[in-house]
Amino acid sequence: KAGVTQTPRYLIKTRGQQVTLSCSPISGHRSVSWYQQTPGQGLQFLFEYFSETQRNKGNFPGRFSGRQFSNSRSEMNVSTLELGDSALYLCASSLDRANEQFFGPGTRLTVL
Amino acid sequence: QQQVKQSPQSLIVQKGGISIINCAYENTAFDYFPWYQQFPGKGPALLIAIRPDVSEKKEGRFTISFNKSAKQFSLHIMDSQPGDSATYFCAAGLPGGYQKVTFGIGTKLQVIP
Repeated sequence: KAGVTQTPRYLIKTRGQQVTLSCSPISGHRSVSWYQQTPGQGLQFLFEYFSETQRNKGNFPGRFSGRQFSNSRSEMNVSTLELGDSALYLCASSLDRANEQFFGPGTRLTVL
Repeated sequence: QQQVKQSPQSLIVQKGGISIINCAYENTAFDYFPWYQQFPGKGPALLIAIRPDVSEKKEGRFTISFNKSAKQFSLHIMDSQPGDSATYFCAAGLPGGYQKVTFGIGTKLQVIP
């Protein structure tokens, strides 16, 4: 069974631009969560989607948004990029909201 | 606000020794306590998890000890091997949605031969 897939794996953007990251969950998984990982702040929860609805949201500004499609694939978008948005963005999927989540390899975003 | 405090941030253990990582939490509503292992260039992988109704859970060389009254839990890695060298994260989740977990800062473990 294929794992969680994230594209692209690496991305370089400049301040002020926007970016869209994609996540394909494990087949059959309906819940997708996003996390930001930085050396200083560690792993921080961004949001969770289940059945195309946002179920939980972390403490991030409105520049961070996401969505989930009917096939459970998810995208997250960051607008007006700032230098501090440089991070590893991790996607995790789970069968439903009561089961363990499996992480993808992440997308490394660098903002110059 | 760091709801899950993890220590130490780095740990060096000799091969065959015991690695111990400790975590403490504030929110008594947490009822799911997973541990993740992360290798460079990879996403975190679930290692073992425990619920508050159990004081200890063992899977192979990995053991979680849980002290509900002290709001503390710890990971013990017995017979540590160089292949265990990775970053370990404790985490805590609230009932009804284990997808939103709060992570500790992480412990970088190095097992030396």
